[in-house]
Amino acid sequence: EAGVAQSPRYKIIEKRQSVAFWCNPISGHATLYWYQQILGQGPKLLIQFQNNGVVDDSQLPKDRFSAERLKGVDSTLKIQPAKLEDSAVYLCASSKRQGAYNEQFFGPGTRLTVL
Amino acid sequence: LAKTTQPISMDSYEGQEVNITCSHNNIATNDYITWYQQFPSQGPRFIIQGYKTKVTNEVASLFIPADRKSSTLSLPRVSLSDTAVYYCLVVDNYGQNFVFGPGTRLSVLP
Repeated sequence: EAGVAQSPRYKIIEKRQSVAFWCNPISGHATLYWYQQILGQGPKLLIQFQNNGVVDDSQLPKDRFSAERLKGVDSTLKIQPAKLEDSAVYLCASSKRQGAYNEQFFGPGTRLTVL
Repeated sequence: LAKTTQPISMDSYEGQEVNITCSHNNIATNDYITWYQQFPSQGPRFIIQGYKTKVTNEVASLFIPADRKSSTLSLPRVSLSDTAVYYCLVVDNYGQNFVFGPGTRLSVLP
């Protein structure tokens, strides 16, 4: 079974530029998560989708971050414009369904550096 | 949202049993306790999940006392490859309202 795919793996941009990350979850997984992980900290949930609907985006900085999951499969996360403090690893995860007893499978992440 | 507290770091030697305790004093009735492992430059990986008493799988055991205000992840006979950060999460039965804390950085020494 293929894992969660993310691209690109690395991205370097200057502040005020835009950037987009792509995630392809495990086939058949209904729930998709985007996390931001700053060096030395645990992952911070940005947004959770159930199929193509948003379940929780309470920690997504909506003035600059946006995410979509068209057709309930792939997802993109965009930052526009980027700030220095956005430098982090952006992780995508998926799970079969929503619920507590449901492990999340994480992708390798995209390391973003904002100069 | 149940807050969790765990030690920032721990050291152990190869072949020893390691126990990492997590406190979650305000856990709710319908919350589950979940542990993840993260190696450098990788995403976290699910280890184990439980609701009460004891859960065991091929990797670890999870001990949860009756009051559920804490839990202990037990790793039997650790090896160098178990060096990682271990996160304790409390997740509600909708799979929401969880947070990854800073985790416990386990270093296994030869």
